[in-house]
Amino acid sequence: DVKVTQSSRYLVKRTGEKVFLECVQDMDHENMFWYRQDPGLGLRLIYFSYDVKMKEKGDIPEGYSVSREKKERFSLILESASTNQTSMYLCASSQITSTDTQYFGPGTRLTVL
Amino acid sequence: AQSVTQLGSHVSVSEGALVLPRCNYSSSVPPYLFWYVQYPNQGLQLLLKYTTGATLVKGINGFEAEFKKSETSFHLTKPSAHMSDAAEYFCAVRGRGKIIFGKGTRLHILP
Repeated sequence: DVKVTQSSRYLVKRTGEKVFLECVQDMDHENMFWYRQDPGLGLRLIYFSYDVKMKEKGDIPEGYSVSREKKERFSLILESASTNQTSMYLCASSQITSTDTQYFGPGTRLTVL
Repeated sequence: AQSVTQLGSHVSVSEGALVLPRCNYSSSVPPYLFWYVQYPNQGLQLLLKYTTGATLVKGINGFEAEFKKSETSFHLTKPSAHMSDAAEYFCAVRGRGKIIFGKGTRLHILP
């Protein structure tokens, strides 16, 4: 059974803290994605990666960075968390082509105080 | 550029009634289209997708969608709603190396 796991379901951080969100997939997928989900705005792509050590900016990369040192792991980093980064963060993975199904993790609900 | 528009952010239907979340797309290339569902407190999962071939696509849990090029639509349907269908539904279109999601339609099922 395919599986995408995220390091935390709920996370509370303070303004200015550095935050790491980790995502691991066990399907040997090339592509991995980070989205944030906000009510009324749907899913917005932050960053994606199509190979180890490769990354591309999505639609809203400001305030975020990513790291992909191993194929199965894709980390999202908030260098200095701010209250407007309070959101649900979803990780997904897929095989190489854009028609392939994306498999999602359960999400991390991040609250920045 | 590719985009999708979902009409109605919240839709309520009675149990047993027809379910019809709507989606219109815009694409400069032949579109590949998807419907994903998000149940409460879960990530998204694929309901169905259209790539090429037959325009009526069947998915899981009794859902289906029809690709209509002339109307640039890909509406989702299910003949009879169940309480377990209460969820948020996202339409999506292929972009360059990524999928572009709509803003979602939250489906409420009334007993």
